[in-house]
Amino acid sequence: ELKVEQNPLFLSMQEGKNYTIYCNYSTTSDRLYWYRQDPGKSLESLFVLLSNGAVKQEGRLMASLDTKARLSTLHITAAVHDLSATYFCAVDMGGGSNYKLTFGKGTLLTVNP
Amino acid sequence: DAGVTQSPTHLIKTRGQQVTLRCSPISGHKSVSWYQQVLGQGPQFIFQYYEKEERGRGNFPDRFSARQFPNYSSELNVNALLLGDSALYLCASSPGWVNTEAFFGQGTRLTVV
Repeated sequence: ELKVEQNPLFLSMQEGKNYTIYCNYSTTSDRLYWYRQDPGKSLESLFVLLSNGAVKQEGRLMASLDTKARLSTLHITAAVHDLSATYFCAVDMGGGSNYKLTFGKGTLLTVNP
Repeated sequence: DAGVTQSPTHLIKTRGQQVTLRCSPISGHKSVSWYQQVLGQGPQFIFQYYEKEERGRGNFPDRFSARQFPNYSSELNVNALLLGDSALYLCASSPGWVNTEAFFGQGTRLTVV
């Protein structure tokens, strides 16, 4: 059974600081997703990482994927309050099938002024 | 363009009752998946339908069932509701069966009392 572990589960940051969220998964998969969820809202897709060594950046967020280590990171640069949300990583079953995404428990990020 | 739409947005039911949740995928998308998100956890896969056929089922009891209609919309049914069924139910649509990204709707918040 595929397991996805995120850490930390809770992260309180000061504005302007940098930090990294880690996502480990237990079996081979070629595709990893990062989502953002605001309280009471749905999931917003941030990044889709499709291959080993993939790196994607959008604003203050940068995601990377190491399929050999089964590890993805979401790096936050110079955090601002608007980044406060819960961040999930999710992995599919591999082989190109997206029919089942397995999610981590999420990282609740709070950015304080 | 309209995104994934779900109805209703909120619902309160009594234990033992039955509930039907509805999802309309993005125009042109043929795949619909359902996820359950319990408070404080990541979403868990329930079902996927593609071209009106069930293509995947998660680890949920037979009280959960779903179907997809010719226009690709979908319904999720839950019978004999339990308190533990209280959750945010998310629908995701994708253009195809493989190698495609899933887009999530706003969810239906179900409360069982």
